[in-house]
Amino acid sequence: DIQMTQSPSSLSASVEDRVTITCRATQGISNSLAWYQQKPGKGPNLLLYDASILASGVPSRFSGSGSGTDYTLTISSLQPEDFATYYCHQYYSTPQTFGQGTKVEIK
Amino acid sequence: QVQLQESGPGLVKPSGTLSLTCAVSGGSISSSQWWSWVRQSPGKGLEWIGEIYHTGITNYNPSLKSRVTISVDKSKNHFSLRLTSVTAADTAVYYCAKVSPAGGYGDYIDYWGQGTLVTVSS
Repeated sequence: DIQMTQSPSSLSASVEDRVTITCRATQGISNSLAWYQQKPGKGPNLLLYDASILASGVPSRFSGSGSGTDYTLTISSLQPEDFATYYCHQYYSTPQTFGQGTKVEIK
Repeated sequence: QVQLQESGPGLVKPSGTLSLTCAVSGGSISSSQWWSWVRQSPGKGLEWIGEIYHTGITNYNPSLKSRVTISVDKSKNHFSLRLTSVTAADTAVYYCAKVSPAGGYGDYIDYWGQGTLVTVSS
């Protein structure tokens, strides 16, 4: 199985801060990576797929980059509604696997 | 926009069988390539269980394959999950999800249900 390691596991930030979350795979996944946002009691919400393609309706302050084994989610200017937990997800090979999550909290 | 709603018992006894259904609305189950089940527990985070193509072809997580069956009922526009011989380790929130084709390798999950908590306990 491909293991996905996210860092940090949690962070504290202020509104309008720039936030970066990283995800590292144990082998190359050819950009077959999605990022999700999850709020308490809700299912995850797709932010980006294929590492850098913004999902429909997602604000442009979210962006993704990376290649090979290393990928990054960036929120350019954190908004109050962005405080949540973020997950990466590789769909390159079966079984699909997820990162352990990054909780973004208010400083 | 497709909506997904999980349903089924919230409590299952140890060694019993967990059975959940996912109702698809806002679209036909035959219009998407794959439909998926994922679970989330505090101990193991998000875990991909498996997926089914609308024709009935399945892929399962090898760690669960001996106990899992995913099936589809096109006449009812829903798909189902069956997990046998459950233990406390199977206690989790179970999500059904819609899958869309990616530009490269694999398919990504684009819509998730709200999730349903299943507790395994006597």
